Amino acid sequence: QVQLVQSGAEVKKPGASVKVSCKASGYTFTTYYMHWVRQAPGQGLEWMGIINPSDSSTRYAQKFQGRVTMTRDTSTSTVYMELSSLRSEDTAVYYCAREEFSNTYMDVWGKGTTVTVSS
Amino acid sequence: QSALTQPASVSGSPGQSITISCTGTSSDVGGYKFVSWYQQHPGKAPKLMIYDVSDRPSGVSNRFSGSKSGNTASLTISGLQAEDEADYYCSSYTSSSTYVFGTGTKVTVL
Repeated sequence: QVQLVQSGAEVKKPGASVKVSCKASGYTFTTYYMHWVRQAPGQGLEWMGIINPSDSSTRYAQKFQGRVTMTRDTSTSTVYMELSSLRSEDTAVYYCAREEFSNTYMDVWGKGTTVTVSS
Repeated sequence: QSALTQPASVSGSPGQSITISCTGTSSDVGGYKFVSWYQQHPGKAPKLMIYDVSDRPSGVSNRFSGSKSGNTASLTISGLQAEDEADYYCSSYTSSSTYVFGTGTKVTVL
């Protein structure tokens, strides 16, 4: 069955970086985009960006430009999201979600990774 | 890119119908047939309920339907059930080739 398995919870200090992984299985990795979406405690969903695993091209939300990097490893069907210069406002659950090429919606989501930024 | 505007909360009694609005601009909701809706129960990941304004993924109840008029999309839940109590988010593709979510609506079944 289709699954997106995300890495475990992280606790980071302000100014540090975090790298969250999302391992895909049950489908052809290079035929679906992967989105990253975050949700701060008690807040709504916020789109961060998207990566095309077939050619590693990316598109980021303007808010995160310069601070986020999305990469992929086709040998392990894994995508990564690295966020740098962390601040307390980055405390959130980070989700990966796939989107089939030629579609414009996220049909399968990971369970989320909690990132806590605290001194 | 500003978040799409949704009402903070909507409520209804079991069996009733409710509608959640999602207002954007001509650069997102109004410009494309690419609006989707997600249901999120507490502590869970979002689940796709509607895509391309009005299409339902297989497995989603036909009590859920979507529509759009101008810059506003809508999600209607008919025959409201206790299990429908959740947060709902709309999302749209944008003219910048990015995506934007709505502010979210908490649905309460009275």
